[in-house]
Amino acid sequence: GAGVSQSPRYKVAKRGQDVALRCDPISGHVSLFWYQQALGQGPEFLTYFQNEAQLDKSGLPSDRFFAERPEGSVSTLKIQRTQQEDSAVYLCASSPRDPTYSNQPQHFGDGTRLSIL
Amino acid sequence: AQTVTQSQPEMSVQEAETVTLSCTYDTSESNYYLFWYKQPPSRQMILVIRQEAYKQQNATENRFSVNFQKAAKSFSLKISDSQLGDTAMYFCAFMPSADSWGKFQFGAGTQVVVTP
Repeated sequence: GAGVSQSPRYKVAKRGQDVALRCDPISGHVSLFWYQQALGQGPEFLTYFQNEAQLDKSGLPSDRFFAERPEGSVSTLKIQRTQQEDSAVYLCASSPRDPTYSNQPQHFGDGTRLSIL
Repeated sequence: AQTVTQSQPEMSVQEAETVTLSCTYDTSESNYYLFWYKQPPSRQMILVIRQEAYKQQNATENRFSVNFQKAAKSFSLKISDSQLGDTAMYFCAFMPSADSWGKFQFGAGTQVVVTP
């Protein structure tokens, strides 16, 4: 597709369940980012991949959060034993090899809205 | 650690008028990047304008321009000739250096409402 695709668009889960959120970056984009956006707040950085390597996971709030990108394209963000404070929009973004000179250095998806009941 | 502050939760402006959104940041870095992103109800973040800290000239993109005051750590966005399609949340974002590209620090956002 032409843009970053995230699925599902909405996800409702009961507290304690595990969830998996998917991100399909733009084809050929090397870098992939995950952000968490709480209601009424700006996005907060979670983790960053360059190809299949997870180079920075300093923003993951707990060890219940896990992200992978095994083949350097599609990425999955998994949250285990979900809690109500995990309710947020999860945004994915991808960047080309050299984003510094691009007019659109980072392309965002529409996000997944996760609601934990 | 860096912090980004947007002190205006909401701004309302009439079509064709001008609105200015404020953003201040705190950092000890000397080289960094600043951005304004727009987020419509569709939730997709769209880059509006960017500024490299080493450039003294303020960035402009069509109807959007910034006032970058490095010493004051201020980065305001001016939207001229406002259009209904400008209605969205606007986020100011800070990035320490090109080595940490994409690791943005976002402000809390300003909701801009353009009225006919």
